[in-house]
This record gives sequence, structure tokens and C-alpha cells, in this order.
Amino acid sequence: GQNIDQPTEMTATEGAIVQINCTYQTSGFNGLFWYQQHAGEAPTFLSYNVLDGLEEKGRFSSFLSRSKGYSYLLLKELQMKDSASYLCAVMGNAGNMLTFGGGTRLMVKP
Amino acid sequence: SQTIHQWPATLVQPVGSPLSLECTVEGTSNPNLYWYRQAAGRGLQLLFYSVGIGQISSEVPQNLSASRPQDRQFILSSKKLLLSDSGFYLCAWTRVSDSPLHFGNGTRLTVT
Repeated sequence: GQNIDQPTEMTATEGAIVQINCTYQTSGFNGLFWYQQHAGEAPTFLSYNVLDGLEEKGRFSSFLSRSKGYSYLLLKELQMKDSASYLCAVMGNAGNMLTFGGGTRLMVKP
Repeated sequence: SQTIHQWPATLVQPVGSPLSLECTVEGTSNPNLYWYRQAAGRGLQLLFYSVGIGQISSEVPQNLSASRPQDRQFILSSKKLLLSDSGFYLCAWTRVSDSPLHFGNGTRLTVT
């Protein structure tokens, strides 16, 4: 089966750095995705990791350790507009199916 | 460029009524298509996915069904809605299995 865990909520201060963790146990692994979802809107793609290591995209970075079943999303120089839910999703053995975690709701405060 | 259209944006339906949500993709051929549902404050649950015309895989047994009558059209249906069918329904597509999913804007369904 598929099991993806991430914290339900986090709070951080504008301008700070926040790390959102995701652990997974899946039947096979073909990649891990991070999505951002603002309230009432559809998720938008942020990052994709298939090999171990860090992928950096501007203020956002994502890290993967396949041996530990662990990923994190790092957000730097937080802005108020970063307040959103962040969804971790894993592509398992069935390559056409993406399984999502419950999402982490991030609140950025002034 | 590719775009995905999903409609309607919001829908209020009484219990026991039928449902039809439509999704179309433009700018690509033979996409993988998906229907997800998101209950309030919850994660995304995969309902159906399709790798080709007439090919539908169901992930969760329920009173919903899906059809893919054309290459870039994906339809979610129900003959009789339940209160528990309320939620945010998202259609998504991807070109190949290791590409990110791209979501439509979603349909917020309220069953009363």
C-alpha cells in the first residue's frame, strides 16, 4: 500500500525559512512531487525529485532520500503569498498513479 | 501550449440527482487523464484514471463512474448523488508517467 505523512499545519514568519517534511512508504518509487495549493484553488506543480539530493528552484528547494523514504520542501525568504497548503505526492510502481499526502497548511505571519 | 478545461466551477445538486462533470485537454494527444476528489481540509483522493480512449481504472468503489469517449475528453458521472459526494473535484492530465500532473481549476460540488 501507499502511506505518505506530512505535518498538518505549520506557522512561520515573513522573511524566514521553513522546511516541510514528508515521509513515505510506497509500493515502488518512480518519483516524488511537491505541489502548492492556495485555498479554493487547484494545486500547482512546484518540484520533482527522482534521484537523491537537492533540487533548487529560486526560493524553493526540494530534497529526496530514497533510502530513508524522506523528502522535504524548503521555502526561503518567506512571503505572505506563500501561505498555502503544500502537498507531497509519490509515483509508485503503477507509473500512471500519483498518491498524495494530506497536505501541510502553511501560515506565514508578518 | 497545453491547457485543461474543467466545468462547471461550482455546482449545487440535491441528493439523488445525477451528475456530469466534463474535462477536456487541448494541445496534446493521448494524455493520461485523472479524476481526483478533495474533501474539505483533506488531501487528494484518486478516483479514476485513463491511459486511452475507453480505458478506465477505478481506485475507489463508489457510486461514481468515469468515461473517456474521446482522446482528450474525460467525464465523471453519477446516477444518484449522495451527501458524501460533496467535495472539490479535480481533473488532471500528464503526458508520460514521470511528468507532473497538471490540474484543471476544479469543480466545487455541494450535495444538499
